[in-house]
Amino acid sequence: NAGVTQTPKFRVLKTGQSMTLLCAQDMNHEYMYWYRQDPGMGLRLIHYSVGEGTTAKGEVPDGYNVSRLKKQNFLLGLESAAPSQTSVYFCASSRPPTGPNYGYTFGSGTRLTVV
Amino acid sequence: GDSVTQMEGPVTLSEEAFLTINCTYTATGYPSLFWYVQYPGEGLQLLLKATKADDKGSNKGFEATYRKETTSFHLEKGSVQVSDSAVYFCALVTPYNTDKLIFGTGTRLQVFP
Repeated sequence: NAGVTQTPKFRVLKTGQSMTLLCAQDMNHEYMYWYRQDPGMGLRLIHYSVGEGTTAKGEVPDGYNVSRLKKQNFLLGLESAAPSQTSVYFCASSRPPTGPNYGYTFGSGTRLTVV
Repeated sequence: GDSVTQMEGPVTLSEEAFLTINCTYTATGYPSLFWYVQYPGEGLQLLLKATKADDKGSNKGFEATYRKETTSFHLEKGSVQVSDSAVYFCALVTPYNTDKLIFGTGTRLQVFP
């Protein structure tokens, strides 16, 4: 029962490099989300998707791109990494919030350091 | 806009002490309310929730009651354990903005033996 799986778990990038973080869920959830978590800042929403082929911007979308080509996968891309993107990144998925079992399921996080 | 306000942490308690973590909200309409817990090095997990006024959510000895009159959803536990040390997030979703949860900034709880 995997739930939400994030890869990789750790990564160190040099400034200007690019990378893609992968989020995969096996619960047939419609909605998926990418957050970043920084000390003292709580969770900040980067981008999210309410269904396959759709994406939307969150609070802090600059410097990131996303794609949801398959329902079970949500990719977060950094085209040109900056030290300000050093953070822990969390993916989450959910059903639409109208049902009784609504709630996010989170992955275990990706710790990214940009040097 | 919609928002969640949590008490500043860290909250430091001795084992078996009573816990309260305050959460108040501002929202359009009648939101659903949630508490999530994040243990060190892990992602967030749903702890409990309440979907309408006066509902009480409960799980693992934790409780929270949806108080519409005070727009609050305070988290309580009668006797904390060292294993409860974690960061606790209050969150809401509203009928008018159903795409995503709105989180508070989190409250760190430290329980000492």
